[in-house]
Amino acid sequence: DAKTTQPPSMDCAEGRAANLPCNHSTISGNEYVYWYRQIHSQGPQYIIHGLKNNETNEMASLIITEDRKSSTLILPHATLRDTAVYYCIVRVNNPPPRFNTDKLIFGTGTRLQVFP
Amino acid sequence: DVKVTQSSRYLVKRTGEKVFLECVQDMDHENMFWYRQDPGLGLRLIYFSYDVKMKEKGDIPEGYSVSREKKERFSLILESASTNQTSMYLCASSERDSYNEQFFGPGTRLTVL
Repeated sequence: DAKTTQPPSMDCAEGRAANLPCNHSTISGNEYVYWYRQIHSQGPQYIIHGLKNNETNEMASLIITEDRKSSTLILPHATLRDTAVYYCIVRVNNPPPRFNTDKLIFGTGTRLQVFP
Repeated sequence: DVKVTQSSRYLVKRTGEKVFLECVQDMDHENMFWYRQDPGLGLRLIYFSYDVKMKEKGDIPEGYSVSREKKERFSLILESASTNQTSMYLCASSERDSYNEQFFGPGTRLTVL
């Protein structure tokens, strides 16, 4: 299973863009990159995922390098409510017959502190 | 609104007790998961289930068992609780071939004395 490396913590001013990096140098060709976050005292929340192309949704943008060895999650206008631990995860694709499982490996994440 | 619920937010048990943690989802999801979360270790997968009565070991199954008798319910069982099982336990569910997201419950903070 591909492993990910993230900085343990980052700060960001409210209203500015938060850029959270993730290294996944051993990622395989069919493995996706997922981002989740966990706000204090809550369960994790899905943010976005991608395979090769950059992705954007209402929460964030995901930029994946051409060699797929790293990615960056961008929160374009961070708010205080975005203070959380952000997890970069590589999805394991199990071969049949367990192809329908969806095993995600969580690391220790990046603690993002958004300050006023 | 989709939901994963867990039976308790906080639980205190004594060493040697049998402990049941219940998880229910209302999204008709095939896959369900149990994780534990500890400081500095992130989330670690204990067990998962991809269908009723089916179960697969995760990364740290020792000391735990699970039960999936109904599609919407996935139970985590600690046969004989120990102090090193003090942790936050998180349940999640996802669609069968979901490449998108797992929905998590709020978690149960278990303390074993």
